[in-house]
Amino acid sequence: NAGVMQNPRHLVRRRGQEARLRCSPMKGHSHVYWYRQLPEEGLKFMVYLQKENIIDESGMPKERFSAEFPKEGPSILRIQQVVRGDSAAYFCASSPAGGMSTDTQYFGPGTRLTVL
Amino acid sequence: GQQLNQSPQSMFIQEGEDVSMNCTSSSIFNTWLWYKQEPGEGPVLLIALYKAGELTSNGRLTAQFGITRKDSFLNISASIPSDVGIYFCAARIGGGSQGNLIFGKGTKLSVKP
Repeated sequence: NAGVMQNPRHLVRRRGQEARLRCSPMKGHSHVYWYRQLPEEGLKFMVYLQKENIIDESGMPKERFSAEFPKEGPSILRIQQVVRGDSAAYFCASSPAGGMSTDTQYFGPGTRLTVL
Repeated sequence: GQQLNQSPQSMFIQEGEDVSMNCTSSSIFNTWLWYKQEPGEGPVLLIALYKAGELTSNGRLTAQFGITRKDSFLNISASIPSDVGIYFCAARIGGGSQGNLIFGKGTKLSVKP
């Protein structure tokens, strides 16, 4: 049973470039969440998606950031025109469908983005 | 906004000692979760709590969902060197069963052999 997969594990970009982070949820999971973690901090929620739908993007900056979870393929978090302040670890989590009260989120290993 | 206050920030203990950490908030939550994160990795779920007053164990770990639904505790008994890491509490906000989590800032645990 593969867990949540994220790639790349490390990504280096220069200011102004685009960053694309990919997340494949656990098998059978159709809910995906993206979080950002700064050094010495807890994780901060960014966006919650189901297949082809954004459910909650209240934690995502209005500009330069976008996310999608297409019918086929991984979820993508896209950061356009990156700035140094975007440097962080980005984690994806997934949970199963069904709306059960005991659904729990399982995290991937993260993508560490460094903006030069 | 809603936030979780996790304490202590860090702990330095001797192998074999018991550990206790907690998370409090002024808000009510329906789910409390405890995760452990090691350097360079994502958080790994340790214990999930879904009912006020619930006490759940996972090996040497025991966690409780506070009766007021505003706090949670994690205890680790007889610590060993591999317990080293950062422990995060998390709670689910929103009324539904799905929804994003908010996290505490973590308790960094160091264990001396």
